Amino acid sequence: NAGVTQTPKFQVLKTGQSMTLQCAQDMNHNSMYWYRQDPGMGLRLIYYSASEGTTDKGEVPNGYNVSRLNKREFSLRLESAAPSQTSVYFCASSEWAGRENIQYFGAGTRLSVL
Amino acid sequence: GDSVTQMEGPVTLSEEAFLTINCTYTATGYPSLFWYVQYPGEGLQLLLKATKADDKGSNKGFEATYRKETTSFHLEKGSVQVSDSAVYFCALSDPTQKLVFGQGTRLTINP
Repeated sequence: NAGVTQTPKFQVLKTGQSMTLQCAQDMNHNSMYWYRQDPGMGLRLIYYSASEGTTDKGEVPNGYNVSRLNKREFSLRLESAAPSQTSVYFCASSEWAGRENIQYFGAGTRLSVL
Repeated sequence: GDSVTQMEGPVTLSEEAFLTINCTYTATGYPSLFWYVQYPGEGLQLLLKATKADDKGSNKGFEATYRKETTSFHLEKGSVQVSDSAVYFCALSDPTQKLVFGQGTRLTINP
């Protein structure tokens, strides 16, 4: 009953360091998403992948890269972390069914960049 | 582009009070509407949804009705409990089936 699993749960980086956030889902969903959550701003879409082998930019893609490794896994990479990237990151997955696109979320990664 | 506006928080109520969290939207198409809830330390989870005008979504005592004429999807509950303390997000699905979220409303229920 895992659903969407994100690792790590917490991370502290220094400015300029790189890291990869991992996400895996076991629901056989085609679509996967990465969001960032900042106080007072809701969730903003960074990148998404409508299906295995495709990725597209969302609202705030600058400073990030993604890889859809296979149908289960979708990773987010920060090549050179900046303090502005301090945030909580959520991965989600979904399967479109007509007018219903219910997304299932992981528990999040809390990232601090010093 | 499409957008969602929620009432500003935080909202603090006493147990058994009536809850309303306002949500209005702007959309070029005919979106589906959602309420998601985020409990402390967790990810978001779907609370309820509505896919067409006049539909009423309901779950765990919460309700919201899709009002196309007022472009609204207000969340209501008749008697809140301490366990309802969370952050609530209104969202719509845009024409490309991505979700657009409101800024979230933090709800605290005091015993």
